[in-house]
Amino acid sequence: GQQLNQSPQSMFIQEGEDVSMNCTSSSIFNTWLWYKQEPGEGPVLLIALYKAGELTSNGRLTAQFGITRKDSFLNISASIPSDVGIYFCAGQRDNAGNMLTFGGGTRLMVKP
Amino acid sequence: DAGVIQSPRHEVTEMGQEVTLRCKPISGHDYLFWYRQTMMRGLELLIYFNNNVPIDDSGMPEDRFSAKMPNASFSTLKIQPSEPRDSAVYFCASSFWGVGANEKLFFGSGTQLSVL
Repeated sequence: GQQLNQSPQSMFIQEGEDVSMNCTSSSIFNTWLWYKQEPGEGPVLLIALYKAGELTSNGRLTAQFGITRKDSFLNISASIPSDVGIYFCAGQRDNAGNMLTFGGGTRLMVKP
Repeated sequence: DAGVIQSPRHEVTEMGQEVTLRCKPISGHDYLFWYRQTMMRGLELLIYFNNNVPIDDSGMPEDRFSAKMPNASFSTLKIQPSEPRDSAVYFCASSFWGVGANEKLFFGSGTQLSVL
């Protein structure tokens, strides 16, 4: 089935550094979503992207919908300890019913 | 809004026992999803409902798994008999008008299941 390849799988960075992660697919998606999961909790939506080329920000987070519609990127600027968690990308295709396909997640660790 | 409510938060059981996980979706949401999360396989969609009707259960691992949604405010995921390989975090999620443009999926806090 279709898959989303998310990278890197994990990152260990210093507080204040910028972070970049991405998601790629061999299939086209019409919606890209980015979620964050904190320990012991379910994923929470951070940013939703609906149009190829779209660039959307949410505070220190910025996400882009790739022009090819086969990829998406998430950047976090000036990381802080509370950014720790697992970040998931998810894609949805209009002809896929109501199902999202999730990436494998990027585990982010921030050293104070 | 209390969000999606799942119970129990943690469940430890012995192999062969029946396990029932419960979910209360956000009021007004007409789609409900059950996901399973493991380190090896990530987030897997097991089954989803629209207006209490199961739409796609192709992700349900095998006949030991069953899910019901008797009304708009309650769903259960049952494993009978449970096996150690069922150990995972099970998430319930709900949304309005399904998951697509302008729609968002809201997750519960999950049930951590350990089958010994």
